[in-house]
Amino acid sequence: AQSVTQLDSQVPVFEEAPVELRCNYSSSVSVYLFWYVQYPNQGLQLLLKYLSGSTLVESINGFEAEFNKSQTSFHLRKPSVHISDTAEYFCAVKRRGRGGSEKLVFGKGTKLTVNP
Amino acid sequence: EAGVAQSPRYKIIEKRQSVAFWCNPISGHATLYWYQQILGQGPKLLIQFQNNGVVDDSQLPKDRFSAERLKGVDSTLKIQPAKLEDSAVYLCASSPGQEYNEQFFGPGTRLTVL
Repeated sequence: AQSVTQLDSQVPVFEEAPVELRCNYSSSVSVYLFWYVQYPNQGLQLLLKYLSGSTLVESINGFEAEFNKSQTSFHLRKPSVHISDTAEYFCAVKRRGRGGSEKLVFGKGTKLTVNP
Repeated sequence: EAGVAQSPRYKIIEKRQSVAFWCNPISGHATLYWYQQILGQGPKLLIQFQNNGVVDDSQLPKDRFSAERLKGVDSTLKIQPAKLEDSAVYLCASSPGQEYNEQFFGPGTRLTVL
C-alpha cells in the first residue's frame, strides 16, 4: 500500500531564508505525487504535482519539488520564504482504492512558520 | 468560478447528539469527496462519490456516519450519534472526474464534540 511520511511536523524559519519540507513515500508501483498547502482557516489548495516527465516541478509562487525515485522522496523547497508562506503543507500520493477508485493519501503535514 | 461551499463552518455538540454537514461542489464536477482531518493529522478520505453513486466508502464508520448525494450535486454527511473522537474538521472536495489530478477543497466544517 502507498503511504506518505512527512518527517517534520513543524519548521520555523526566518523571512528570506531557504526552506526544505521533507516527504518520503512508499510504493511498489508508479506514483503520482502532490503538495497541497492549507492557509489558516482555509481549505487545501494544490501547490504542485508530479505525474511524469521532468522530475523537477515548480509552482507559480517560487516553490519547487524534485521527484527522486531512488530515494523515494518528493521534498519541497523554496530558496527564499516570505511571511505569507506561513501555512501547513501536506504531501500526498495518489493510490488505487476499492472498486478501482483513485484516491489521495496524505501525510500528517508540516507547519511552516516564517518569522520576521 | 465559485469554489466548493460548505456549511456550517463551526459546530459544537454534545456526545450522542446528531449533526449534519452540507457541501455544494463546483458546478459540473462529477466527483465529490468527504475527508476527516483530525488535529495534527492529514485529511483521511471517508467517502467518494461519482455523480450520485458511491465509489469508495471503505473508511466510513457506517455504524454512525452516513452520506448522500441524491441528485449528483450537493451532498450531506451525517453523524448519529457523535462520539468525542469525531471532533475534527470535515472537508469536502470536488473534481471534474476521478482521473483529474487536482481536487478543489472547501473551507471545512470544524466539529467539536463535548
